Amino acid sequence: EAGVTQFPSHSVIEKGQTVTLRCDPISGHDNLYWYRRVMGKEIKFLLHFVKESKQDESGMPNNRFLAERTGGTYSTLKVQPAELEDSGVYFCASSQARDSTDTQYFGPGTRLTVL
Amino acid sequence: LAKTTQPISMDSYEGQEVNITCSHNNIATNDYITWYQQFPSQGPRFIIQGYKTKVTNEVASLFIPADRKSSTLSLPRVSLSDTAVYYCLVGAGRYRNNKFYFGSGTKLNVKP
Repeated sequence: EAGVTQFPSHSVIEKGQTVTLRCDPISGHDNLYWYRRVMGKEIKFLLHFVKESKQDESGMPNNRFLAERTGGTYSTLKVQPAELEDSGVYFCASSQARDSTDTQYFGPGTRLTVL
Repeated sequence: LAKTTQPISMDSYEGQEVNITCSHNNIATNDYITWYQQFPSQGPRFIIQGYKTKVTNEVASLFIPADRKSSTLSLPRVSLSDTAVYYCLVGAGRYRNNKFYFGSGTKLNVKP
């Protein structure tokens, strides 16, 4: 079974540009999460989808970030316009069911560098 | 917020047993305890999860005392490839809106 995949693995853009990150969860997983780690900081939750619906987006830093999951399969996270402080590693995770023992499986991450 | 506290780093030698203890004093009744392993340039990888007492799988054991305010991840006979950061996470599941709160983790360095 394929794991969570993310694309691209690394993106370098200039301040003010737009970048879109993609996450393909494990097939059949209704839950999809985005996390990120900025330099020197801890991994922090951004948002959670259940199928195509945003269940919790309390961790989204500001309105420059837009996450979508049309059709309840893959998800995209768009940063527009990117700022220097957006640099970091963005992780996606998926899980099958919403119960207290649910295991989240993480992708390899996308390293975003904003110059 | 179920905050966790772990040692920042630990050193060990190949073949030794390593025990990493995590404190989570404000764990909630419905919270599970989950440990993840992360190698550089990779995403966190699930190791083990438990609620109370002891859980064992093919890679690790998890010991949780009755008060559940701490937990200990035990890695038997570590090898060089076990060098990684280990995260103790409390919560997730529907009672915590499925969020994981990551701390700084414990950087385990296994020496030959």
